[in-house]
Amino acid sequence: QVQLQESGPGLVKPSETLSLTCTVSGGSISSYYWSWIRQPPGKGLEWIGYIYSSGSTNYNPSLKSRVTMSVDRSKNQISLNMRSVTAADTAVYYCARDFGSGSYFDYWGQGTVVTVSS
Amino acid sequence: DIQMTQSPSSLSASVGDRVTITCQASQDISSFLNWYQQKPGKAPKLLIYDASNLETGVPSRFSGSGSGTDFTFTISSLQPEDIATYYCQQYDNLPLTFGGGTKVEIK
Repeated sequence: QVQLQESGPGLVKPSETLSLTCTVSGGSISSYYWSWIRQPPGKGLEWIGYIYSSGSTNYNPSLKSRVTMSVDRSKNQISLNMRSVTAADTAVYYCARDFGSGSYFDYWGQGTVVTVSS
Repeated sequence: DIQMTQSPSSLSASVGDRVTITCQASQDISSFLNWYQQKPGKAPKLLIYDASNLETGVPSRFSGSGSGTDFTFTISSLQPEDIATYYCQQYDNLPLTFGGGTKVEIK
């Protein structure tokens, strides 16, 4: 059974960089797409972007200028970096397995809360 | 971006009731539409993909239909464990976008 686990700082200061890691267990990250999705408190879901196991990416244009995703196949991990954060970036961040190049999400991590505050 | 409009935003129904949620896309998305269930404090769970295909292990009381711009999600007989927020999501075009959610409560 594939399992995903997000990790990273729960508190980030405004203007700094948010860095999260998603560790995949129970299966290989190879040959799959992996997405990051976030959910501000009490609000809906926003797709941030995906990365393929080869390293190719596609980002939401609304966040593209601040987001970088990477993959470490040796550790079965994907990472998210988001620069110049503001309070509007406060959210639960999820990683999820994307069945195709932007399709449906069949496995999700439990999510990690990130608060942007000084 | 394709806008996804869900209605209603919330509903209250009795156990055993038939519950219907609609999702409208701002343009034709064929059948590239998925439905998720999110319980409080939990990650979303895939229920329906490609508009009408039931994900493995999901109870058959859940179903989906539609194509083009108009889609429907149905719970044929509401159960207490179905209390959750339900989201539609399109994947016809990037960026992937979600509906605003429908919160389902027990009357």
